[in-house]
Amino acid sequence: AQKVTQAQTEISVVEKEDVTLDCVYETRDTTYYLFWYKQPPSGELVFLIRRNSFDEQNEISGRYSWNFQKSTSSFNFTITASQVVDSAVYFCALSDITGANNLFFGTGTRLTVIP
Amino acid sequence: IAGITQAPTSQILAAGRRMTLRCTQDMRHNAMYWYRQDLGLGLRLIHYSNTAGTTGKGEVPDGYSVSRANTDDFPLTLASAVPSQTSVYFCASSDVDRGNEQFFGPGTRLTVL
Repeated sequence: AQKVTQAQTEISVVEKEDVTLDCVYETRDTTYYLFWYKQPPSGELVFLIRRNSFDEQNEISGRYSWNFQKSTSSFNFTITASQVVDSAVYFCALSDITGANNLFFGTGTRLTVIP
Repeated sequence: IAGITQAPTSQILAAGRRMTLRCTQDMRHNAMYWYRQDLGLGLRLIHYSNTAGTTGKGEVPDGYSVSRANTDDFPLTLASAVPSQTSVYFCASSDVDRGNEQFFGPGTRLTVL
């Protein structure tokens, strides 16, 4: 069965601090996708990144970076020099690429960036 | 229309009433999904459709039904609403042939009294 765990329910940081959001997943599939979504206070879900299970190369996009480690089944998300606009709930999700292609979401981490 | 639209934005409903949440996408995605979001539980899949004419059950399908008569529309029906169906409902779509990145609608906030 697919499962995603985001152990950090809430995190608060002061603006300009770096912050890492943890994501650990479980799957029996050898091929799968991992995702991060952002849900700002306005409520919409914003796609951030998709990672294929065959690609363990870390990715950086501006102040965002992702560390995918298959050996520990983790896909952590780091925001560098956090800003108030980063305040949101962040969801990690897992999808297989066969069958229903459904997303299995973690319970989310609420990040508050304090000015 | 651009992306995914959902209607209504919000609704207050008496228990026992029938309600259909509408979802339309204009991206010609083959797959569509309905999720509910509840505090502390994240998003949970209700029903999905991999292609027009087919549907499947997700994690929490009881009390809900869907249909997929065409590519663009994927309505979710609550036949007889109960208070436990109070939630925020998100519709999503994806092109499963291109990595299954799911695009989400703005959500419908439903309150069942």
